[in-house]
Amino acid sequence: DSGVTQTPKHLITATGQRVTLRCSPRSGDLSVYWYQQSLDQGLQFLIQYYNGEERAKGNILERFSAQQFPDLHSELNLSSLELGDSALYFCASSAPGSGSYEQYFGPGTRLTVT
Amino acid sequence: AQTVTQSQPEMSVQEAETVTLSCTYDTSESNYYLFWYKQPPSRQMILVIRQEAYKQQNATENRFSVNFQKAAKSFSLKISDSQLGDTAMYFCAFRRGSNYKLTFGKGTLLTVNP
Repeated sequence: DSGVTQTPKHLITATGQRVTLRCSPRSGDLSVYWYQQSLDQGLQFLIQYYNGEERAKGNILERFSAQQFPDLHSELNLSSLELGDSALYFCASSAPGSGSYEQYFGPGTRLTVT
Repeated sequence: AQTVTQSQPEMSVQEAETVTLSCTYDTSESNYYLFWYKQPPSRQMILVIRQEAYKQQNATENRFSVNFQKAAKSFSLKISDSQLGDTAMYFCAFRRGSNYKLTFGKGTLLTVNP
């Protein structure tokens, strides 16, 4: 158990809908990262938050958005869903002050868009 | 931009034998970290081993060790005394500096046969 939690574990929804994925980082970790894993794109970085502020953006679609709240949990919002958004979405967290800044991954949320 | 290449999509090994997974990367950064992550059928991403670029000594974690060739930009993973539980997808990952995203290779599916 990495200490990072993600809810829900599975999500099945229809095209055009909107969903919210939730992540709670390990205690004390200030950075939260979101990654998408799909068969055709592999593991891709979406976005990073550090202590409530957006720090870096990757291949995140405009239909997707995220935020990190004062209690450091993060949410990834996916809207106008398309079939191609079906993927495993991971959240990872890392701690400040640690030289290696290792990222610990949650169990992922499997999103299926039908 | 950094790229990570894993040239072996699939490999297999007999239980108790040794196997080496290959990874090459491309970067112009001088301060970076390299990682191997394991993803078993449960889909959990598990950190196997980490290497800091500034360290010449190859990292070792029990049965797992790396061969880090900085000039060649090569970072291979050696698994000794392979066990059935080592069956998983293995991802090589690059991280520039400390508090930054991970860039992953496409992965190598390792099967350990009894």
